[in-house]
Amino acid sequence: GAVVSQHPSRVICKSGTSVKIECRSLDFQATTMFWYRQFPKQSLMLMATSNEGSKATYEQGVEKDKFLINHASLTLSTLTVTSAHPEDSSFYICSAYPGHNQPQHFGDGTRLSIL
Amino acid sequence: AQSVTQLGSHVSVSEGALVLLRCNYSSSVPPYLFWYVQYPNQGLQLLLKYTTGATLVKGINGFEAEFKKSETSFHLTKPSAHMSDAAEYFCAVTEGGGSNYKLTFGKGTLLTVNP
Repeated sequence: GAVVSQHPSRVICKSGTSVKIECRSLDFQATTMFWYRQFPKQSLMLMATSNEGSKATYEQGVEKDKFLINHASLTLSTLTVTSAHPEDSSFYICSAYPGHNQPQHFGDGTRLSIL
Repeated sequence: AQSVTQLGSHVSVSEGALVLLRCNYSSSVPPYLFWYVQYPNQGLQLLLKYTTGATLVKGINGFEAEFKKSETSFHLTKPSAHMSDAAEYFCAVTEGGGSNYKLTFGKGTLLTVNP
């Protein structure tokens, strides 16, 4: 089946550090990728929609300068949390949409802990 | 706008008992509906989906769901629970296909299975 690889799976770093998370679709091309944030015992909240070759569309309340998204190819999107602070600690999950009304396929998530 | 309501944040069943997880949706256009399962510290795995056609859909691991337009429901069932079914389950809706294909998730239902 379709596989989405998300890396790293866990990051622990100091406040003020910028952290990059990669999301790759391994066996299909994804014109659209999505980035979600999930707080403990809560649902997934869509942060942004990433379309290959164009600027990401951010959901209301998500700071685009804090969460930089790049979708440079049909198989790779990156999320960079800039100058991360403890309140940015969360579980971040990406998904890739293969198109043609197929379901999104999810990565295994990245646990980000900012000290 | 679309929304999803999952009734019951926590459902507990005995091994071998029927599993019923409830999901109601709201959508301004014919919806596409999904059930995903999430194990601890992992991403989401698709259980099943409804797009068009047969309203009773079968998924992986013995799960099935029935789309009832008149009740705006898409409840998930499994005749006999297994210990390995213990996980968080999310119902999601999207308003048809297209390049965006944004999912709106319910708040999730934690399923525990007692021996």
